[in-house]
Amino acid sequence: SQQGEEDPQALSIQEGENATMNCSYKTSINNLQWYRQNSGRGLVHLILIRSNEREKHSGRLRVTLDTSKKSSSLLITASRAADTASYFCATDILAGGFKTIFGAGTRLFVKA
Amino acid sequence: DGGITQSPKYLFRKEGQNVTLSCEQNLNHDAMYWYRQDPGQGLRLIYYSQIVNDFQKGDIAEGYSVSREKKESFPLTVTSAQKNPTAFYLCASSRTGGETQYFGPGTRLLVL
Repeated sequence: SQQGEEDPQALSIQEGENATMNCSYKTSINNLQWYRQNSGRGLVHLILIRSNEREKHSGRLRVTLDTSKKSSSLLITASRAADTASYFCATDILAGGFKTIFGAGTRLFVKA
Repeated sequence: DGGITQSPKYLFRKEGQNVTLSCEQNLNHDAMYWYRQDPGQGLRLIYYSQIVNDFQKGDIAEGYSVSREKKESFPLTVTSAQKNPTAFYLCASSRTGGETQYFGPGTRLLVL
């Protein structure tokens, strides 16, 4: 099964609402990262949170990490139609060198 | 203009043919990665390289080969042994292993 699993698989909200996506993982991590992907494009890095950090902010983004529960959440506040994309969490583990494992993603639809 | 580039944007493969996808970066990054993404899915790691002249298999390396003769370049060959090659291929690089990855725009491979 996946190291990183996002929840929900898809999320549809109105512009101006907040969007929360969750990520759970199974093994100990060094970092956890969130990426965004617009349809048919490459991924864009949003935030990296280290295993000894609990919360990070970047503009309208807020990421939390709970290593005891092996989970992270990404909150997008005051969403805009342009936030429509897929969001992936990626866990960095040490396995004979660093290895990054991506989850299946949450598809966010923000309706104008 | 720093970044990571992939070519071509679309690639068509005939049965039994080997094809090579290009990935170049001018970010002076040591680590480079190849991922495969199927429709509606997350990314699966094919191969990664943490330094020139060294690379490791990822989770789905069968039917693929890579080389890392130069720091800037990490080409991926999809061989005829890969029976289901139709997918979106993403290349990424990072300063070192376990750090933020920067993605190229992707190559979509289709089988004729």
